[in-house]
Amino acid sequence: GAVVSQHPSRVICKSGTSVKIECRSLDFQATTMFWYRQFPKQSLMLMATSNEGSKATYEQGVEKDKFLINHASLTLSTLTVTSAHPEDSSFYICSASAIVSQGTGNTIYFGEGSWLTVV
Amino acid sequence: DAKTTQPPSMDCAEGRAANLPCNHSTISGNEYVYWYRQIHSQGPQYIIHGLKNNETNEMASLIITEDRKSSTLILPHATLRDTAVYYCIVRVWGAGANNLFFGTGTRLTVIP
Repeated sequence: GAVVSQHPSRVICKSGTSVKIECRSLDFQATTMFWYRQFPKQSLMLMATSNEGSKATYEQGVEKDKFLINHASLTLSTLTVTSAHPEDSSFYICSASAIVSQGTGNTIYFGEGSWLTVV
Repeated sequence: DAKTTQPPSMDCAEGRAANLPCNHSTISGNEYVYWYRQIHSQGPQYIIHGLKNNETNEMASLIITEDRKSSTLILPHATLRDTAVYYCIVRVWGAGANNLFFGTGTRLTVIP
C-alpha cells in the first residue's frame, strides 16, 4: 500500500513553545491530507482537513490559530502546535488518500503518528 | 457518513480464525465498508475495503451481507501480532468525502 511518513515520532517541548510535525506521502501525491488527535484509550478525532495550496478546514472546536496547518506541496503537510500547553499532550496522526488497485474507491493511509508531550 | 456498531472487545486463540462483526444498518448505496486496525501507539493500518462483493487480500477477507447492513472481517489464522483495535468505517468515495470518522472499534486480543 501507499506510505505516509510522520516526523518526529516523539517530541517533548516546554510549555509555551511551538512544535512542528511533518506528514509526507512518500510514493504518491496527496492533494488532501487529514490531521487527527488521539488521547489515551480513546478513538481518533479528526482535527482538520489540509488542502494543498489553500487554507485548511478545521473541525468544530479546534482552534485554527493554535493548530496551524500548512500544505505547501502535494507530498507535505505540517501541523504546528503553537504556545503548547500540557493539555495539548497527545498522539497526533496524519493521513492522506491514494487510489489503490483493489476495485474502485480511494483509500486513506495513515502515518505512524507523533507523540507530543508538553512539560 | 453512516454510523457503525462493533462489539467493544473479542478474544481469539492463536492460529484460529478471528471473525469481527460490524453492523452498518443505515449504509447508503454509494458507501464503502472499510476496515482499519490500530496496534498500540501506532497509526491506523489499512486492511481491506469493499462495496457489495466479498473481498480478500493477503491480510484478511471481508464478507458483506447481501443487504449490506452488516459485514464481517475475517483474519484466517490469527497471530499474537494481530492484537489491536479494529475499526469498521463506512464512507462515500468521491470528491469532498475523503475523511474517515472513527468509532470505538473492537479490541481484539489474540491469546497464545
